[in-house]
Amino acid sequence: AQSVTQLGSHVSVSEGALVLLRCNYSSSVPPYLFWYVQYPNQGLQLLLKYTSAATLVKGINGFEAEFKKSETSFHLTKPSAHMSDAAEYFCAVSRGYIPTFGRGTSLIVHP
Amino acid sequence: EPEVTQTPSHQVTQMGQEVILRCVPISNHLYFYWYRQILGQKVEFLVSFYNNEISEKSEIFDDQFSVERPDGSNFTLKIRSTKLEDSAMYFCASSEAGGVPGANVLTFGAGSRLTVL
Repeated sequence: AQSVTQLGSHVSVSEGALVLLRCNYSSSVPPYLFWYVQYPNQGLQLLLKYTSAATLVKGINGFEAEFKKSETSFHLTKPSAHMSDAAEYFCAVSRGYIPTFGRGTSLIVHP
Repeated sequence: EPEVTQTPSHQVTQMGQEVILRCVPISNHLYFYWYRQILGQKVEFLVSFYNNEISEKSEIFDDQFSVERPDGSNFTLKIRSTKLEDSAMYFCASSEAGGVPGANVLTFGAGSRLTVL
């Protein structure tokens, strides 16, 4: 079975600080991995996805994630947080056409 | 930008009542999904639908649940007799068919919050 674990239900950073949201995956086959973001009162939107083409994946809004097979990780980073980044972030791993999501990490950005 | 729309945004119901949640997927998408998220827990897969039939379902999707695509645009989730533990946010999603399985991207609606009293 494939699954993801997101460490930390809440992450709080100051505006301008580094953002690091952690995701570890479990998969018996090379995985497809995703980060989705959910802004208040909106649906989940794709930030970026890993499909084995490159280990460092760049997404929208300055986010990127690095696939590390040795650590079974796919952590999401952004060098400098902006107030508009405050949202819920979900890591997901896909099996067939069915993504399996983590429980989400709420990113709080302080002025 | 095409979007998935869900109605109602919030529904309050009494235990034992039937509930229908509605979704309008993106028009050229062929895969449809329902997920749910109980407060503070994971976003859980319920069911996927393709070619007018259920393609996969989870253990959560028991006989109390059903899905239907009654016309060319709507995709509905029905809960026959709601229980307290059905209280959750229900997300509809759709994706294009084809491509590499696993690499498809889902487009989600904003969700329908169901509260069962």
